[in-house]
Amino acid sequence: QSVLTQPPSVSAAPGQDVTISCSGSNSNIGNNYVSWYQQLPGTAPKLLIYDNNKRPSGIPDRFSGSKSGTSATLDITGLQTGDEADYYCGTWGSSLNVVFGGGTKLTVL
Amino acid sequence: EVQLLESGGGLVQSGGSLRLSCAASGFTFSNYGMSWVRQAPGKGLEWVSGITGTYDSPYYADSVKGRFTISRDTSKNTLNLEMNSLRAEDTAVYYCAKGTSGWYSVCESWGQGTLVTVSS
Repeated sequence: QSVLTQPPSVSAAPGQDVTISCSGSNSNIGNNYVSWYQQLPGTAPKLLIYDNNKRPSGIPDRFSGSKSGTSATLDITGLQTGDEADYYCGTWGSSLNVVFGGGTKLTVL
Repeated sequence: EVQLLESGGGLVQSGGSLRLSCAASGFTFSNYGMSWVRQAPGKGLEWVSGITGTYDSPYYADSVKGRFTISRDTSKNTLNLEMNSLRAEDTAVYYCAKGTSGWYSVCESWGQGTLVTVSS
């Protein structure tokens, strides 16, 4: 069982918006920055968001992140079929370990 | 361009050992934190170990502490993971990842992964 809790799956139609949540505690999200990763089928993960809401170069602004208290969210607007992937949140845990959420499978209907 | 290329994966018997390597290029390797992250078949991501930039301080997940050792060879720009006393539950694709600074909590760039299979 993962330290950070994500919904196992979400789905929406092309063009719609979707939100993926990531819930933790004061030991992790509550006192640290959150990152988000996208893993397309059969590929390595890719950094989407870091420091709660910053996008690396090349990541479209359709992807945005936020954090409030011990929870974080990833918002994806204007869904495209190419967004169909697994999404993971991550942050510092205890003892300078890194913790990830269990992952959310996004299906674009 | 940052490139990370893992190698060393394979099939090993339970109780055995394996050494993974990650060849890094495109950045000043010694300055950045690095991580090993694994993914068991059909499962999510699990952070395994990290090493800080500059001072090379190592950190481990509880699941591998005492069995795995992370290190880096700055003369070869290579990150290593020595894995001993392997168990069936260590079976996974192992990715190396570059941090965004001297720390390793944000995995900015990832390698393609190397598969480790532990037979029981």
